[in-house]
Amino acid sequence: EVQLVESGGGLIQPGGSLRLSCAASGFTVNNNCMNWVRQAPGKGLEWVSVIYTGGNRYYSDSVRGRFTISSDTSKNTVYLQMNSLRAEDTAVYYCAREPELGHNDVFDIWGQGTMVTVSS
Amino acid sequence: SYEVTQPLSVSVALGQTATITCRGDKIESKNVHWYQQKPGQAPVVVIYRDTSRPSGIPERFSGSNSGNTATLTISRVQAGDESDYYCHVWDSSTAFFGGGTKLTVL
Repeated sequence: EVQLVESGGGLIQPGGSLRLSCAASGFTVNNNCMNWVRQAPGKGLEWVSVIYTGGNRYYSDSVRGRFTISSDTSKNTVYLQMNSLRAEDTAVYYCAREPELGHNDVFDIWGQGTMVTVSS
Repeated sequence: SYEVTQPLSVSVALGQTATITCRGDKIESKNVHWYQQKPGQAPVVVIYRDTSRPSGIPERFSGSNSGNTATLTISRVQAGDESDYYCHVWDSSTAFFGGGTKLTVL
């Protein structure tokens, strides 16, 4: 079964760091573009970052310079390293996959999300 | 930066047709994807690349894209269709979502 499972969320103070993980099963992350999408409480979806199959990475303006996306093919896992966290980063963070051979395509598989709360 | 705009809410009577729009500059030149999200759940794609429907999504769901407006149409609306719906496009290696539309079934 194709599945994404996020972990690593929690309560963190402003200015702190957190690393989210997205463990994939049923497919190889190296063959798909992988994304992070977040949703603040009661708000809409906001794209955060993508890592392409070729390794290129892109970020939204709101997180560029603070967040880093990466992948570990040996663990079949995608990560989101989040530094200098702010209250406005509070959200459910979803990992989302694009179809194999897709590029700037639909998010066909989503994880269940992990909650990040930035508060003192 | 690219902006896509959706109505905040759409109401439709049970069994009627719901239309949700997604407006953006020359959006017809982009692939538009649509997601359904129920409370407490992850989004699920209902239409991708303007008009394609994933397996398992009812034929009642359809999409179109022309000019500056992409449209998600839900025919014979059921109570279970009551959800938030989001459109999604890409522009210059950045993904953009519409603000979401809450569909209410009367």
